[in-house]
Amino acid sequence: AQSVSQHNHHVILSEAASLELGCNYSYGGTVNLFWYVQYPGQHLQLLLKYFSGDPLVKGIKGFEAEFIKSKFSFNLRKPSVQWSDTAEYFCAVNAILTGGGNKLTFGTGTQLKVEL
Amino acid sequence: NAGVTQTPKFQVLKTGQSMTLQCAQDMNHEYMSWYRQDPGMGLRLIHYSVGAGITDQGEVPNGYNVSRSTTEDFPLRLLSAAPSQTSVYFCASSTTYDRQETQYFGPGTRLLVL
Repeated sequence: AQSVSQHNHHVILSEAASLELGCNYSYGGTVNLFWYVQYPGQHLQLLLKYFSGDPLVKGIKGFEAEFIKSKFSFNLRKPSVQWSDTAEYFCAVNAILTGGGNKLTFGTGTQLKVEL
Repeated sequence: NAGVTQTPKFQVLKTGQSMTLQCAQDMNHEYMSWYRQDPGMGLRLIHYSVGAGITDQGEVPNGYNVSRSTTEDFPLRLLSAAPSQTSVYFCASSTTYDRQETQYFGPGTRLLVL
């Protein structure tokens, strides 16, 4: 079965600092990769996704992620964080050979706190 | 366009009680699913549906039932609640069950089972 690991459970940064959140997955076949964000008191929303092509994908609010197939990784980055980026971030994977349906396997999440 | 809506927002149950968590979407999405979110475990798939009348089990289906009689609605039933079902429940939908479709999540239902 596929699994997703997010090694950083809690991250605290100052405004304007750079951000990189790690995400590794275990499945060796073709995958679709997602980053979702959950702002305090809100529901999950999509930040960005990767299916194929350019391994560097850009999402909303200045976020980007790089797919490195050889490392089974899909790390999320932002050059300069803002206080409003305080949220929980989830990496998710959808493997092609896990049967029908748009079934996502989520990581455990990373709680990001940005301090002024 | 309300997107994905869920009711109730919060519920307290006693062990053994039953209840139904409601989920509705107004985007004419074929695919709908239920996840539960627990601290330190991320979101885990409970059940999903690829269209009206078609449902299947996800990663953690035990203790939950679903049905899909219409495209819009996908209720989740707890027949006999247990403390282990204390969690936050999210409903999600996407246009189709194609794996590249973005899933849209509802605001969640926080359930406490005593």
